[in-house]
Amino acid sequence: ETGVTQSPTHLIKTRGQQVTLRCSSQSGHNTVSWYQQALGQGPQFIFQYYREEENGRGNFPPRFSGLQFPNYSSELNVNALELDDSALYLCASSSNLASGANVLTFGAGSRLTVL
Amino acid sequence: AQKITQTQPGMFVQEKEAVTLDCTYDTSDPSYGLFWYKQPSSGEMIFLIYQGSYDQQNATEGRYSLNFQKARKSANLVISASQLGDSAMYFCAMRGLSSGSARQLTFGSGTQLTVLP
Repeated sequence: ETGVTQSPTHLIKTRGQQVTLRCSSQSGHNTVSWYQQALGQGPQFIFQYYREEENGRGNFPPRFSGLQFPNYSSELNVNALELDDSALYLCASSSNLASGANVLTFGAGSRLTVL
Repeated sequence: AQKITQTQPGMFVQEKEAVTLDCTYDTSDPSYGLFWYKQPSSGEMIFLIYQGSYDQQNATEGRYSLNFQKARKSANLVISASQLGDSAMYFCAMRGLSSGSARQLTFGSGTQLTVLP
């Protein structure tokens, strides 16, 4: 089975621009979560998608938005980029999150640098 | 609200020795799960081990074991027989499991483990 794949792996943007990051979930997984990991810190939850709808959101402004597609892949969009948006963006997929032992499978991330 | 605290920014261990990475947590959820992930320099978070709050026994997965002390709210990771490939960042994380709990993982700040030859 294929794992979680993310693209692009690295990208550089300037302040005020917009960016779209993409994620293909692991086969058999129907839930996708996005996390932001600033340098030297632990990942912070951005939002989660299940059945193409957002069903959980962390403390991130509305300029962070997302989509989930029928094949369970997902996009993270960030508008009006700020310098503090520079981070590693991790996508994670899982199946039924109601199960306690349900494990999130992470991708290798997209490293965004905002200049 | 949930909080994970990892007080060791960096740890060193000699190859083939055991090492314990500390993790304490705080939550109001009566039911929760605790996780440890490894993050090598490549960036991918790799799942290591899981412990449910109502599990009677400490979890073990190969060379990894979780020293779960519920009353002290600690969930330390023990790596036995360290290998050079164990050098990485290690994150403790938790998720509430009660009805209505948020389903996201809350992570600690991590511990950078370096295994010395």
